[in-house]
Amino acid sequence: EPEVTQTPSHQVTQMGQEVILRCVPISNHLYFYWYRQILGQKVEFLVSFYNNEISEKSEIFDDQFSVERPDGSNFTLKIRSTKLEDSAMYFCASSANAYEQYFGPGTRLTVT
Amino acid sequence: ELKVEQNPLFLSMQEGKNYTIYCNYSTTSDRLYWYRQDPGKSLESLFVLLSNGAVKQEGRLMASLDTKARLSTLHITAAVHDLSATYFCAVDIIGGGADGLTFGKGTHLIIQP
Repeated sequence: EPEVTQTPSHQVTQMGQEVILRCVPISNHLYFYWYRQILGQKVEFLVSFYNNEISEKSEIFDDQFSVERPDGSNFTLKIRSTKLEDSAMYFCASSANAYEQYFGPGTRLTVT
Repeated sequence: ELKVEQNPLFLSMQEGKNYTIYCNYSTTSDRLYWYRQDPGKSLESLFVLLSNGAVKQEGRLMASLDTKARLSTLHITAAVHDLSATYFCAVDIIGGGADGLTFGKGTHLIIQP
């Protein structure tokens, strides 16, 4: 069964550094999403992407964040200058039909 | 601002018992989702409810949606230990595009043998 994959599974970085989180959505899906979950808290929407552009973004997704689909398979989330409060689990999701979303295993980001 | 509230947030129950988790949301939406999350793991889609009155069942879990009341329920029948997990409901606002989901805080369910 096709799955969303994410790399790395765990990323440790120092405050102020740039990080890129990578996702490979399910191959025939057209809609892509990033969410984050701070430890023990609820899942929060960051951004959605369709037709090579951002479709919707939340208040969390400020100028420090960007997304890109550099080729036909990868979908990336970049955080330009990480802060301690960016430490969280970041989930990528994809959808074929803009409603049923399939989540990847997540990348745990630790900012020290 | 769309708000999604679940209750209870924590539930400890014994095997064999029945219980219901409630999910209320604050704005009009016809799409309601239930996800399961095991500790340290990703989100597993359980149910997608797309219309008023929708009812779906999978094993010991049954979900329903009342869009007029802005309420969804997740009913657990004769609980077993394997159902221990955190359950999230989520809602999206139909905007015609790739809508992000707004999640509830989750219900942490522990089923004791």
